[in-house]
Amino acid sequence: GAVVSQHPSWVICKSGTSVKIECRSLDFQATTMFWYRQFPKQSLMLMATSNEGSKATYEQGVEKDKFLINHASLTLSTLTVTSAHPEDSSFYICSAPDPDRRIRYGYTFGSGTRLTVV
Amino acid sequence: QKEVEQDPGPLSVPEGAIVSLNCTYSNSAFQYFMWYRQYSRKGPELLMYTYSSGNKEDGRFTAQVDKSSKYISLFIRDSQPSDSATYLCARHNTDKLIFGTGTRLQVFP
Repeated sequence: GAVVSQHPSWVICKSGTSVKIECRSLDFQATTMFWYRQFPKQSLMLMATSNEGSKATYEQGVEKDKFLINHASLTLSTLTVTSAHPEDSSFYICSAPDPDRRIRYGYTFGSGTRLTVV
Repeated sequence: QKEVEQDPGPLSVPEGAIVSLNCTYSNSAFQYFMWYRQYSRKGPELLMYTYSSGNKEDGRFTAQVDKSSKYISLFIRDSQPSDSATYLCARHNTDKLIFGTGTRLQVFP
C-alpha cells in the first residue's frame, strides 16, 4: 500500500531553536498533506492542510508564523516549528490521501515525530 | 459538544474476550466513518470504514453505524494481546478527518 515516510521519528531541541519535520510520499504523488498534533493521551488535532504549490490552510488557533509549512513538490511536505518552546513538545503526524481510490476517503499516515523541547 | 466523542478508557480485557468500542457524533450530516488503530508512538492505520447504517465485517472486526442514534461501534472478536492499542473513530467531511479522543485498549494474556 501507499507509504508516507516521516523523519525524524524523534527530536530533542533547545528552546528557541527551529526544527524541521519532513514527510515524503513514496511511490505516489501527494498533492495534499495534512499535519496533525497529538498531545499525550489525546486525539489528533488537525493543524493545517498543505497543497503543492500553494499556501497552506491553517486551522483556527494555529499560528502560521510559528508552524511553517512548505509543500514545494508532489512528494515532499515539511513542517518547521520555529522558535520552539517547551509547550510545543508533542507528537506531530502527517497524512496524505490514499491513492487507492477503492478506499474512499482513505488516508495514509506517517509514523509520527516526537518533539521534545528542553 | 465535541463533534466526535469517545470514552478514553483505558479498557482492559483478557485475551479471547469480545471488545466493544463506541463513539457518538453530533452532526447528523456526517456520512463516512472510519476506525483507526494507533500503536504507541506510531501513526494511525485504517482498520475499517463505513458509510451507511448497519454492520460491516472484516475478519475479527465488525463496524456498526446507527445513524438514528448517532452511534458508531467497533467490535473485536477473540481479542489478542497484539490488539492492544488506541482505537480512534473518525468522521470525514469536506476533505478532512475529525477524530475522536481515542480509546486505549489493553488485552492481557
